[in-house]
Amino acid sequence: LAKTTQPISMDSYEGQEVNITCSHNNIATNDYITWYQQFPSQGPRFIIQGYKTKVTNEVASLFIPADRKSSTLSLPRVSLSDTAVYYCLVGDIGAAGNKLTFGGGTRVLVKP
Amino acid sequence: DVKVTQSSRYLVKRTGEKVFLECVQDMDHENMFWYRQDPGLGLRLIYFSYDVKMKEKGDIPEGYSVSREKKERFSLILESASTNQTSMYLCATDPTSGVGSTEAFFGQGTRLTVV
Repeated sequence: LAKTTQPISMDSYEGQEVNITCSHNNIATNDYITWYQQFPSQGPRFIIQGYKTKVTNEVASLFIPADRKSSTLSLPRVSLSDTAVYYCLVGDIGAAGNKLTFGGGTRVLVKP
Repeated sequence: DVKVTQSSRYLVKRTGEKVFLECVQDMDHENMFWYRQDPGLGLRLIYFSYDVKMKEKGDIPEGYSVSREKKERFSLILESASTNQTSMYLCATDPTSGVGSTEAFFGQGTRLTVV
């Protein structure tokens, strides 16, 4: 899997939009970009996945520029319950024998 | 819903004991993974398996082994537990969809303390 770089931490306030950018300069043609959310004492859970341009679901949006060397996870109007660690993964997840390697993640703290 | 079940939520073992951490999934996924998570170090891949009886080393396999005798079960083995193996252990699975990427599913984790 391509190596990813994300900020270590970000602080925000309730109601604000949070944008987390992940750099993945070595992304391969078959690679997708996937984001996971992890709360304390729980396993990570899938948030969103994309290949190019923009993807939106009920939880977040994912913006991917044309060169795909970075991506931005956007969390609209965050609440206290969005405090978590967010991981960016790049790769062909689901390919047989493919390692699933996580980076350090971004710790997001939402304040009242 | 995919269910990934880890046999214990909390475990306390003594130094030198042989420890088995079990992970069972109910969705017929091919790929299974074991991670450990320590404060400030994120999730580190220990071992993974893409088929029954197949295993591959991850980034930190030393001191661990794995077993996958059945597709739904992936066991992590600490041959001789040491205090530096005190950690949160997480199991994950993903299907080999063959149609582009997909998502991985995680268990709730086992917090292992070695004393």
